[in-house]
Amino acid sequence: AQRVTQPEKLLSVFKGAPVELKCNYSYSGSPELFWYVQYSRQRLQLLLRHISRESIKGFTADLNKGETSFHLKKPFAQEEDSAMYYCALSGNTGKLIFGQGTTLQVKP
Amino acid sequence: EPEVTQTPSHQVTQMGQEVILRCVPISNHLYFYWYRQILGQKVEFLVSFYNNEISEKSEIFDDQFSVERPDGSNFTLKIRSTKLEDSAMYFCASSDKEGPYEQYFGPGTRLTVT
Repeated sequence: AQRVTQPEKLLSVFKGAPVELKCNYSYSGSPELFWYVQYSRQRLQLLLRHISRESIKGFTADLNKGETSFHLKKPFAQEEDSAMYYCALSGNTGKLIFGQGTTLQVKP
Repeated sequence: EPEVTQTPSHQVTQMGQEVILRCVPISNHLYFYWYRQILGQKVEFLVSFYNNEISEKSEIFDDQFSVERPDGSNFTLKIRSTKLEDSAMYFCASSDKEGPYEQYFGPGTRLTVT
């Protein structure tokens, strides 16, 4: 079965603290993994994807095929990082399969 | 920067009525998608569309749903006879490449079926 699991509905941290948003996936084949973000009153937008190996806004994500995970990390959270974060995977067809989403709340 | 637009932002309809949700994808994009998100649930894929044909559809996308690109700019999702459980946020997305590449999302249309 194709599935993305984000175990935490809400993650609350203080500004400056490290952040890790968890994502596990189930897929037969080699999917592409993404993190999309939705800031308050804004549209879903791509934060980063595995294949580009970029660091965007200080966030990184490493694909661990053994653990089938794609956790999103940032060493020092900022208040402006508060948003809803969705992990998603895609196969060859382009269809995105999303996780439930994790709300990140960064407190001052 | 070009963006995907969707109209209306909120649509209220009565059960059994037909609704058409409209999307204008980014102009040079060729691959189009509809997703929906029922309140409190995950974003779910409905259908993908390329070259005036459905490329892939989910189990949710039954005979009550149809998609169309009536002209060079619009991409529409029609629900023929709405049910209460069709109440959701509907997102349109587009991409300039086929496969696992970035999709650009619209702001969504909130459909409320009463």
